[in-house]
Amino acid sequence: AQSVTQLGSHVSVSEGALVLLRCNYSSSVPPYLFWYVQYPNQGLQLLLKYTSAATLVKGINGFEAEFKKSETSFHLTKPSAHMRDAAEYFCAVSEGADGLTFGKGTHLIIQP
Amino acid sequence: KAGVTQTPRYLIKTRGQQVTLSCSPISGHRSVSWYQQTPGQGLQFLFEYFSETQRNKGNFPGRFSGRQFSNSRSEMNVSTLELGDSALYLCASKETGQNIQYFGAGTRLSVL
Repeated sequence: AQSVTQLGSHVSVSEGALVLLRCNYSSSVPPYLFWYVQYPNQGLQLLLKYTSAATLVKGINGFEAEFKKSETSFHLTKPSAHMRDAAEYFCAVSEGADGLTFGKGTHLIIQP
Repeated sequence: KAGVTQTPRYLIKTRGQQVTLSCSPISGHRSVSWYQQTPGQGLQFLFEYFSETQRNKGNFPGRFSGRQFSNSRSEMNVSTLELGDSALYLCASKETGQNIQYFGAGTRLSVL
């Protein structure tokens, strides 16, 4: 069975600082991995996806993530945080036909 | 293309009532999935429909049901509402053969 663990329910960084949101997964087959962002009172917006083409994946809004099979990780990073990045971030895994399995989410707080 | 549309955006019901939520997928998408989001349990997969057939189902009681019409629009129904059913219900659609799910803004259900 697939599962996702996001370390840190809340992460606070200063504007301009590096953003690092951690995600570890468990999957019995090569997984598809995703990061979604959710702004208040909105649905989920896809940031980026890993589908085995490349281990470093670039997404929207300056975010990227690196797939590390040996560590079963898919951490999300952004070199310089902006106030508009404040939101809830979800890591998700899919093994194909099944629905997405989400982590509990990480609330990103940007300090001015 | 228009995105995934969910109606209504907000609903207030009382215990014991039933409710129907609607989802119109992105044009051309034949797969529709439903998710429940609560502060305690996070995002949980309810079920997926493809070509009017339920293809996958999450671990929810039989009070939760759904259907899909020939135009790919989907509805989910919750009968005998309980306080714990208060949640944001998200619908997502995807293209056949693809793994990316696109989410609607959700329907926020409050059960009093």
